[in-house]
Order: sequence, then C-alpha cells, then structure tokens
Amino acid sequence: GENVEQHPSTLSVQEGDSAVIKCTYSDSASNYFPWYKQELGKGPQLIIDIRSNVGEKKDQRIAVTLNKTAKHFSLHITETQPEDSAVYFCAAPDTGRRALTFGSGTRLQVQP
Amino acid sequence: DTAVSQTPKYLVTQMGNDKSIKCEQNLGHDTMYWYKQDSKKFLKIMFSYNNKELIINETVPNRFSPKSPDKAHLNLHINSLELGDSAVYFCASSQDRRAWGQGWYEQYFGPGTRLTVT
Repeated sequence: GENVEQHPSTLSVQEGDSAVIKCTYSDSASNYFPWYKQELGKGPQLIIDIRSNVGEKKDQRIAVTLNKTAKHFSLHITETQPEDSAVYFCAAPDTGRRALTFGSGTRLQVQP
Repeated sequence: DTAVSQTPKYLVTQMGNDKSIKCEQNLGHDTMYWYKQDSKKFLKIMFSYNNKELIINETVPNRFSPKSPDKAHLNLHINSLELGDSAVYFCASSQDRRAWGQGWYEQYFGPGTRLTVT
C-alpha cells in the first residue's frame, strides 16, 4: 500500500513570510496528489491538487510542486496571513485499495 | 447548501452503549467514506461504499458497522462503545471510484462528529 510521510509536523512563521510543507510517497503508480486544509473544529477542505503530468500548479498564494522521480511533492504558501493558520494534510492515492492515504499533518501557525 | 453533512456534531456517551452517526451528501457522488481522526490528527480510512456496495473495509473492530440505505447516505453504527473509540469521525464523498483518473479521489469531507466515550 501507499505510505505518505509529511514534514514538518509544526511550522510557525511570521505574517507575510512563506511556508513550505513537504511530503514523500512510496507508490510510483500514484498520479494524483491533493492538499487539504483543516481549520479548528472543521473537516478537511481540498485546497489544491496536482496530477502527475505537471510539475507545478499555482492558485493565487498557494502552489504545489511535484517531483515524480524523487517521489515527493510540496505545498508552498506565500505572503502568509493569520487565516492560513490551520492543519495541512497531503495525500496520495493507494492504487491497490482505491483510497487516499494521508500524511500525518502539519500545524501551521502564522504569527501576526 | 451543505455538501456533506453529519449528525450529530458532538456525541458524548458511556462505555458499552450503542450509537449511530449519520451522513448525507447532496453532491450526487457515488462513493462515500468514513474516516477516523485520532487525538494526534491522524486521518485513517475505515470504510468506503460505492453505490451502496462496500468497497473498503479496513481492519476496524466488527463493532463498527456502516450502512448505506442509498448512495446519498452512509451511516456508521457502533456497538459496545469503548474508551478507545473516542475520536473525530469524518464522512466524505467523491465521484465514482471506477472512473479512475477522473476524480474519484477528489474527496469532500463533512464537518466531523466528535465522539467522546466516558
């Protein structure tokens, strides 16, 4: 099955700085990599995803990069704001089980 | 309009009781899931259903039984609750899992049910 590792577990940045969260995966057949944001007391919300036929995808202040050779992908948040504070999860599909395997989460704290 | 809804949001009960959590999605999706999130925030899949058919049944105790009356609903019934069952349970949905490469893994989560067993 798929194994997804996520780092760091906690990240504290000053407002306006950039934040980077990294994930590695094990299943070379995986071809879709979503990122979820979970705010306090809420369910995970899909914020961006990338498919294996592209190396980078941007959506305003959020970008995701993918290196299929190295089997890792990263979330980049620029010009961070206090409302970016949340737990972020990466995920990858377990092609054998038709399920998503999630990373362990990164708690991002943006200091005003 | 709420896409994936769950009830109740909070559930406090004693050990040994039986309880149910309900989930409904109005996205027209064919696949629904139950996830468990522990105190360390680990998200782990428990079950998935596609068009009322059980697809994934992870190694969870058989005290947990999912029920899907139709493709818009997936309920979770838990018998003989134990302290270790305390967690947040999330329902999610996605498009048809057989449409591999066409979105089945774009999963949309409900707000969660925080279960506390005392």
